[in-house]
Amino acid sequence: KAGVTQTPRYLIKTRGQQVTLSCSPISGHRSVSWYQQTPGQGLQFLFEYFSETQRNKGNFPGRFSGRQFSNSRSEMNVSTLELGDSALYLCASSLGGSHQETQYFGPGTRLLVL
Amino acid sequence: DAKTTQPTSMDCAEGRAANLPCNHSTISGNEYVYWYRQIHSQGPQYIIHGLKNNETNEMASLIITEDRKSSTLILPHATLRDTAVYYCIVRVVVTGNTPLVFGKGTRLSVIA
Repeated sequence: KAGVTQTPRYLIKTRGQQVTLSCSPISGHRSVSWYQQTPGQGLQFLFEYFSETQRNKGNFPGRFSGRQFSNSRSEMNVSTLELGDSALYLCASSLGGSHQETQYFGPGTRLLVL
Repeated sequence: DAKTTQPTSMDCAEGRAANLPCNHSTISGNEYVYWYRQIHSQGPQYIIHGLKNNETNEMASLIITEDRKSSTLILPHATLRDTAVYYCIVRVVVTGNTPLVFGKGTRLSVIA
């Protein structure tokens, strides 16, 4: 079974621009979570989507948003990019049932904001 | 979720067992212990998880103390490819899905 895939793998943007990152979960997985990893703050939870609805949200500004499609693929968008948004963005998928399930991570998208 | 404490770094000789400790003294009865690792610049990789019984899979063994206040991840025969940051995470069991809360982890260096 193919793992979680993320595109693009690398991205360079300038301040003020916006960016959209994509995540395709493992086949059959319906929950997608997004995390940001920076050297200073470590790995931090952004939000989780299940059945096209945001189910959980971390403590990030409204510039960070996401959505999920009917095939469970998810996108996250960051508007008005700031230098501090430079990070590795990771998505993780899980079955999304009614109990705790293991999350499996993709390789990440490395975003550099200049 | 309960907080975990892990050593900042550890070394292990190649071929020997790597024993990575984790303290979670405030863990509650409905919280699992999860272990992930992250090889440089890659996404975290799931290793193993458990509630109160010891667990073993093809990658590692997880030993949880009887009082559940600490656990040890054991990689039985460490190789150079096991060099990574290892995260111990305590995660509450509830309906739905709760985020993983990552600490700083233990940087394991496997030495030839």
